[in-house]
Amino acid sequence: TQLLEQSPQFLSIQEGENLTVYCNSSSVFSSLQWYRQEPGEGPVLLVTVVTGGEVKKLKRLTFQFGDARKDSSLHITAAQPGDTGLYLCAGAGEDSSYKLIFGSGTRLLVRP
Amino acid sequence: EPEVTQTPSHQVTQMGQEVILRCVPISNHLYFYWYRQILGQKVEFLVSFYNNEISEKSEIFDDQFSVERPDGSNFTLKIRSTKLEDSAMYFCASSAWTGDGYEQYFGPGTRLTVT
Repeated sequence: TQLLEQSPQFLSIQEGENLTVYCNSSSVFSSLQWYRQEPGEGPVLLVTVVTGGEVKKLKRLTFQFGDARKDSSLHITAAQPGDTGLYLCAGAGEDSSYKLIFGSGTRLLVRP
Repeated sequence: EPEVTQTPSHQVTQMGQEVILRCVPISNHLYFYWYRQILGQKVEFLVSFYNNEISEKSEIFDDQFSVERPDGSNFTLKIRSTKLEDSAMYFCASSAWTGDGYEQYFGPGTRLTVT
Protein backbone atom coordinates (compact mmCIF):
# COMPACT_ATOMS: atom_id res chain seq x y z
CA THR A 1 0.00 0.00 0.00
CA GLN A 2 1.40 3.37 -0.99
CA LEU A 3 1.45 6.01 1.73
CA LEU A 4 2.48 9.65 1.77
CA GLU A 5 3.51 11.21 5.07
CA GLN A 6 3.34 14.97 5.32
CA SER A 7 5.08 17.06 7.93
CA PRO A 8 4.52 19.15 9.84
CA GLN A 9 0.78 18.68 10.29
CA PHE A 10 0.37 22.24 11.52
CA LEU A 11 2.56 25.31 11.18
CA SER A 12 1.99 28.75 12.63
CA ILE A 13 4.47 31.43 11.59
CA GLN A 14 4.86 35.18 11.46
CA GLU A 15 4.45 37.08 8.20
CA GLY A 16 7.80 37.34 6.40
CA GLU A 17 9.21 34.04 7.68
CA ASN A 18 10.24 31.15 5.46
CA LEU A 19 8.91 27.62 5.80
CA THR A 20 9.27 24.15 4.30
CA VAL A 21 6.68 21.40 4.13
CA TYR A 22 7.77 17.82 3.51
CA CYS A 23 6.08 14.91 1.81
CA ASN A 24 7.73 11.49 2.17
CA SER A 25 7.07 7.95 1.06
CA SER A 26 8.81 4.61 0.68
CA SER A 27 7.12 4.23 -2.72
CA VAL A 28 8.12 5.62 -6.09
CA PHE A 29 5.60 7.90 -7.79
CA SER A 30 5.37 8.74 -11.48
CA SER A 31 4.52 12.31 -10.53
CA LEU A 32 3.68 14.32 -7.48
CA GLN A 33 1.14 17.09 -7.30
CA TRP A 34 0.72 19.82 -4.72
CA TYR A 35 -2.71 21.21 -3.97
CA ARG A 36 -4.14 23.88 -1.75
CA GLN A 37 -7.54 23.30 -0.20
CA GLU A 38 -9.79 25.85 1.48
CA PRO A 39 -12.43 24.69 4.01
CA GLY A 40 -15.44 23.14 2.27
CA GLU A 41 -13.88 23.35 -1.18
CA GLY A 42 -12.06 21.06 -3.59
CA PRO A 43 -8.26 20.84 -3.83
CA VAL A 44 -6.79 23.39 -6.24
CA LEU A 45 -3.75 22.28 -8.21
CA LEU A 46 -0.60 24.33 -7.59
CA VAL A 47 2.06 22.36 -9.44
CA THR A 48 3.05 18.95 -10.77
CA VAL A 49 6.60 17.58 -10.60
CA VAL A 50 7.51 14.63 -12.75
CA THR A 51 11.26 14.22 -13.05
CA GLY A 52 13.51 13.16 -10.16
CA GLY A 53 15.38 16.21 -8.85
CA GLU A 54 13.02 18.61 -10.59
CA VAL A 55 12.55 22.06 -9.09
CA LYS A 56 9.63 24.31 -9.98
CA LYS A 57 8.91 27.82 -8.81
CA LEU A 58 5.56 29.54 -8.52
CA LYS A 59 6.21 33.09 -7.31
CA ARG A 60 7.36 32.67 -3.68
CA LEU A 61 6.68 28.90 -3.68
CA THR A 62 9.44 26.44 -4.63
CA PHE A 63 8.62 22.77 -5.18
CA GLN A 64 11.17 20.00 -5.40
CA PHE A 65 10.83 16.33 -6.33
CA GLY A 66 13.35 13.98 -4.76
CA ASP A 67 15.94 12.28 -6.96
CA ALA A 68 14.35 8.89 -6.34
CA ARG A 69 10.81 10.26 -6.88
CA LYS A 70 9.78 9.17 -3.37
CA ASP A 71 9.61 12.53 -1.66
CA SER A 72 8.92 16.19 -2.28
CA SER A 73 9.12 19.52 -0.52
CA LEU A 74 7.33 22.85 -0.71
CA HIS A 75 9.26 25.92 0.39
CA ILE A 76 7.56 29.27 0.87
CA THR A 77 9.71 32.39 1.04
CA ALA A 78 8.54 35.44 2.97
CA ALA A 79 5.16 33.99 3.84
CA GLN A 80 2.14 36.26 3.71
CA PRO A 81 -1.27 35.96 5.43
CA GLY A 82 -2.75 35.09 2.04
CA ASP A 83 -0.69 31.87 2.10
CA THR A 84 -2.77 30.59 5.02
CA GLY A 85 -4.48 27.34 4.10
CA LEU A 86 -4.21 23.56 3.86
CA TYR A 87 -1.46 22.25 1.58
CA LEU A 88 -1.76 18.71 0.26
CA CYS A 89 0.72 16.57 -1.61
CA ALA A 90 -0.58 13.76 -3.79
CA GLY A 91 1.41 11.11 -5.61
CA ALA A 92 0.35 9.41 -8.82
CA GLY A 93 1.13 5.72 -9.01
CA GLU A 94 2.99 4.10 -11.84
CA ASP A 95 -0.01 1.98 -12.77
CA SER A 96 -2.38 2.82 -15.59
CA SER A 97 -5.15 4.59 -13.70
CA TYR A 98 -3.00 7.45 -12.38
CA LYS A 99 -5.01 7.53 -9.16
CA LEU A 100 -3.69 9.95 -6.56
CA ILE A 101 -2.56 8.98 -3.09
CA PHE A 102 -2.94 11.98 -0.79
CA GLY A 103 -0.96 13.03 2.22
CA SER A 104 -2.79 14.15 5.34
CA GLY A 105 -1.98 17.79 4.70
CA THR A 106 -0.16 20.66 6.36
CA ARG A 107 -2.31 23.40 7.79
CA LEU A 108 -0.43 26.70 7.54
CA LEU A 109 -1.32 29.82 9.49
CA VAL A 110 0.59 33.00 8.67
CA ARG A 111 0.04 35.65 11.33
CA PRO A 112 0.19 39.33 10.29
CA GLU B 1 -10.69 28.77 -17.63
CA PRO B 2 -12.33 25.32 -17.89
CA GLU B 3 -13.30 23.78 -14.57
CA VAL B 4 -14.93 20.69 -13.14
CA THR B 5 -18.43 21.33 -11.83
CA GLN B 6 -20.44 19.23 -9.37
CA THR B 7 -24.08 19.14 -8.31
CA PRO B 8 -25.59 19.32 -5.83
CA SER B 9 -23.27 21.18 -3.50
CA HIS B 10 -24.99 19.61 -0.50
CA GLN B 11 -27.18 16.52 -0.32
CA VAL B 12 -28.96 15.30 2.79
CA THR B 13 -30.46 11.82 2.66
CA GLN B 14 -31.79 9.18 4.99
CA MET B 15 -29.96 5.94 5.60
CA GLY B 16 -30.89 3.31 3.03
CA GLN B 17 -31.81 5.81 0.32
CA GLU B 18 -30.14 6.01 -3.08
CA VAL B 19 -28.20 9.11 -4.06
CA ILE B 20 -26.69 10.22 -7.35
CA LEU B 21 -23.88 12.73 -7.35
CA ARG B 22 -23.25 14.50 -10.62
CA CYS B 23 -20.12 15.91 -12.20
CA VAL B 24 -19.29 17.64 -15.46
CA PRO B 25 -15.58 17.06 -16.14
CA ILE B 26 -13.42 19.38 -18.21
CA SER B 27 -14.47 18.81 -21.81
CA ASN B 28 -11.28 17.48 -23.42
CA HIS B 29 -10.28 15.29 -20.48
CA LEU B 30 -10.21 11.53 -20.84
CA TYR B 31 -9.77 10.21 -17.28
CA PHE B 32 -12.40 10.73 -14.61
CA TYR B 33 -12.21 10.05 -10.90
CA TRP B 34 -14.21 10.11 -7.70
CA TYR B 35 -12.58 10.74 -4.35
CA ARG B 36 -14.07 11.25 -0.92
CA GLN B 37 -12.95 13.08 2.19
CA ILE B 38 -14.48 12.27 5.54
CA LEU B 39 -14.39 15.29 7.84
CA GLY B 40 -10.89 15.78 9.23
CA GLN B 41 -9.39 12.91 7.24
CA LYS B 42 -7.34 12.43 4.07
CA VAL B 43 -8.73 12.62 0.58
CA GLU B 44 -9.27 8.98 -0.48
CA PHE B 45 -9.45 7.51 -3.97
CA LEU B 46 -12.67 5.71 -4.86
CA VAL B 47 -12.63 4.95 -8.58
CA SER B 48 -11.10 5.90 -11.90
CA PHE B 49 -12.90 5.71 -15.25
CA TYR B 50 -11.48 5.70 -18.75
CA ASN B 51 -12.87 4.80 -22.14
CA ASN B 52 -16.33 4.14 -20.67
CA GLU B 53 -15.19 1.63 -18.11
CA ILE B 54 -13.75 1.46 -14.62
CA SER B 55 -9.97 1.29 -14.78
CA GLU B 56 -9.36 0.96 -11.05
CA LYS B 57 -11.38 0.99 -7.84
CA SER B 58 -10.48 1.02 -4.18
CA GLU B 59 -11.69 -1.27 -1.41
CA ILE B 60 -14.16 1.44 -0.41
CA PHE B 61 -15.89 1.17 -3.79
CA ASP B 62 -18.00 -1.89 -3.07
CA ASP B 63 -21.20 -3.15 -4.71
CA GLN B 64 -23.17 -0.24 -3.26
CA PHE B 65 -21.29 2.17 -5.52
CA SER B 66 -21.48 2.56 -9.28
CA VAL B 67 -20.32 5.11 -11.82
CA GLU B 68 -21.68 6.04 -15.20
CA ARG B 69 -21.02 8.42 -18.04
CA PRO B 70 -24.56 8.60 -19.43
CA ASP B 71 -23.74 11.13 -22.14
CA GLY B 72 -20.78 13.05 -23.49
CA SER B 73 -20.56 15.47 -20.60
CA ASN B 74 -21.83 14.04 -17.31
CA PHE B 75 -20.11 11.62 -14.96
CA THR B 76 -22.14 10.26 -12.06
CA LEU B 77 -21.54 8.40 -8.81
CA LYS B 78 -24.46 6.39 -7.44
CA ILE B 79 -24.69 5.04 -3.93
CA ARG B 80 -27.53 2.50 -3.86
CA SER B 81 -28.27 2.25 -0.17
CA THR B 82 -26.53 4.92 1.86
CA LYS B 83 -25.04 4.27 5.28
CA LEU B 84 -24.17 6.73 8.02
CA GLU B 85 -20.47 6.21 7.28
CA ASP B 86 -20.96 7.40 3.69
CA SER B 87 -21.27 10.95 5.05
CA ALA B 88 -18.35 12.83 3.49
CA MET B 89 -17.30 15.34 0.85
CA TYR B 90 -17.24 13.67 -2.55
CA PHE B 91 -14.93 15.15 -5.15
CA CYS B 92 -14.96 14.51 -8.86
CA ALA B 93 -11.74 15.03 -10.79
CA SER B 94 -10.70 14.80 -14.41
CA SER B 95 -7.36 14.70 -16.17
CA ALA B 96 -5.70 14.73 -19.54
CA TRP B 97 -2.12 14.31 -20.63
CA THR B 98 0.00 17.42 -20.31
CA GLY B 99 3.74 17.87 -20.48
CA ASP B 100 3.70 17.12 -16.74
CA GLY B 101 1.81 13.86 -16.92
CA TYR B 102 -1.86 13.45 -16.07
CA GLU B 103 -2.70 16.49 -13.92
CA GLN B 104 -5.94 16.06 -12.03
CA TYR B 105 -8.34 18.96 -11.59
CA PHE B 106 -10.93 18.74 -8.86
CA GLY B 107 -14.47 19.99 -8.62
CA PRO B 108 -15.80 21.93 -5.62
CA GLY B 109 -17.30 18.79 -4.08
CA THR B 110 -20.68 17.55 -2.90
CA ARG B 111 -21.19 17.36 0.82
CA LEU B 112 -23.24 14.22 1.50
CA THR B 113 -24.93 13.95 4.87
CA VAL B 114 -26.63 10.65 5.72
CA THR B 115 -29.01 10.78 8.67
